[in-house]
Amino acid sequence: SQTIHQWPATLVQPVGSPLSLECTVEGTSNPNLYWYRQAAGRGLQLLFYSIGIDQISSEVPQNLSASRPQDRQFILSSKKLLLSDSGFYLCAWNLGAGRTKGTEAFFGQGTRLTVV
Amino acid sequence: KQEVTQIPAALSVPEGENLVLNCSFTDSAIYNLQWFRQDPGKGLTSLLLIQSSQREQTSGRLNASLDKSSGRSTLYIAASQPGDSATYLCAVQSGGATNKLIFGTGTLLAVQP
Repeated sequence: SQTIHQWPATLVQPVGSPLSLECTVEGTSNPNLYWYRQAAGRGLQLLFYSIGIDQISSEVPQNLSASRPQDRQFILSSKKLLLSDSGFYLCAWNLGAGRTKGTEAFFGQGTRLTVV
Repeated sequence: KQEVTQIPAALSVPEGENLVLNCSFTDSAIYNLQWFRQDPGKGLTSLLLIQSSQREQTSGRLNASLDKSSGRSTLYIAASQPGDSATYLCAVQSGGATNKLIFGTGTLLAVQP
């Protein structure tokens, strides 16, 4: 069966510090991978998606970047955090559209990031 | 641009009541619609997935319907329990090769014992 791991669960970082959040998927190959952010009282905003290794697309301009160094590994990074980067970050995966359209998405447990 | 709306934003019901959560979307060209549950401070748990060719899906006390032409979906919860208290999110999937999800803002459900 497939599982998704996301860490750390919580993180408190000072303004201007770097960030690295990691997500890995087990039990499947060539998944589509996503990073979402959920700000307090707001819906989920798609930040990045990836349909393959080193294939990253950004949905919104921001202070963050994403990388996919391996097929089932997705990393969210920042060189210098801003206060506005605080939020709940969620990683998700589903099967790529090359095999089938419209597949079920699965989410990690999230990372609560507080920038102070 | 696809937009997803959920009504109501919050709902409080007594235990045992049947309830309906609503989700609407503006672009009917979707692959599927998925309902999720989110407990406070946690990730999303998939509840039901309805493909665009389907009208409804059922899992236990949950039943989700989809009317793609009118851009609407409902999640029906039968005989609600305090453990059903959570935020319920719907999301539509579309967009070529990316299969990305567009989410509604959710309905916060509280089931009172």
